[in-house]
Amino acid sequence: EADIYQTPRYLVIGTGKKITLECSQTMGHDKMYWYQQDPGMELHLIHYSYGVNSTEKGDLSSESTVSRIRTEHFPLTLESARPSHTSQYLCASGYLYEQYFGPGTRLTVT
Amino acid sequence: QKEVEQDPGPLSVPEGAIVSLNCTYSNSAFQYFMWYRQYSRKGPELLMYTYSSGNKEDGRFTAQVDKSSKYISLFIRDSQPSDSATYLCAMTTLDSNYQLIWGAGTKLIIKP
Repeated sequence: EADIYQTPRYLVIGTGKKITLECSQTMGHDKMYWYQQDPGMELHLIHYSYGVNSTEKGDLSSESTVSRIRTEHFPLTLESARPSHTSQYLCASGYLYEQYFGPGTRLTVT
Repeated sequence: QKEVEQDPGPLSVPEGAIVSLNCTYSNSAFQYFMWYRQYSRKGPELLMYTYSSGNKEDGRFTAQVDKSSKYISLFIRDSQPSDSATYLCAMTTLDSNYQLIWGAGTKLIIKP
């Protein structure tokens, strides 16, 4: 089983709140990724990182931000949650063609 | 039209059957092909990846790439109820640094 962790697993929050989704990996991977997944849909890349202090936006427009201060930690922040942010958020690490995923955070914004 | 097409299913087969899952794609530059398995309320789990054409086998699973037809397959032999999950294909080009193109997944149900 991959050593990549996400917290919280489930989150229900009101509109306008600031939230941070946590992601940590113990495999020493330089590359990390955040995806958004809706039911029956493809995974969409929203952020990625090549290493410490390196972050880039993916192809899916997102109002979230990320940081990479330590190799093992890649948190995602939403400054002001909206109902349109309701989705499953998946964190992954590893080579592009060999990614290991966390269990995901299911976010519901009311 | 999507770059990667995958039948959403559900595909329902009896236990012990051979399962064939498929993806078609349009970009002839794709060189890496991956299959992931995703159980309900879990993250995807990498089953295997292949580079370019050919077959790759791992236990009961065989991945096949046909670049001339732009078609990839995952075969599962002696299917088990524990194989019931959604199977996602993904692919990328040789020079991509970050972008995987994903299929939407096929839901597989193995009936005991």
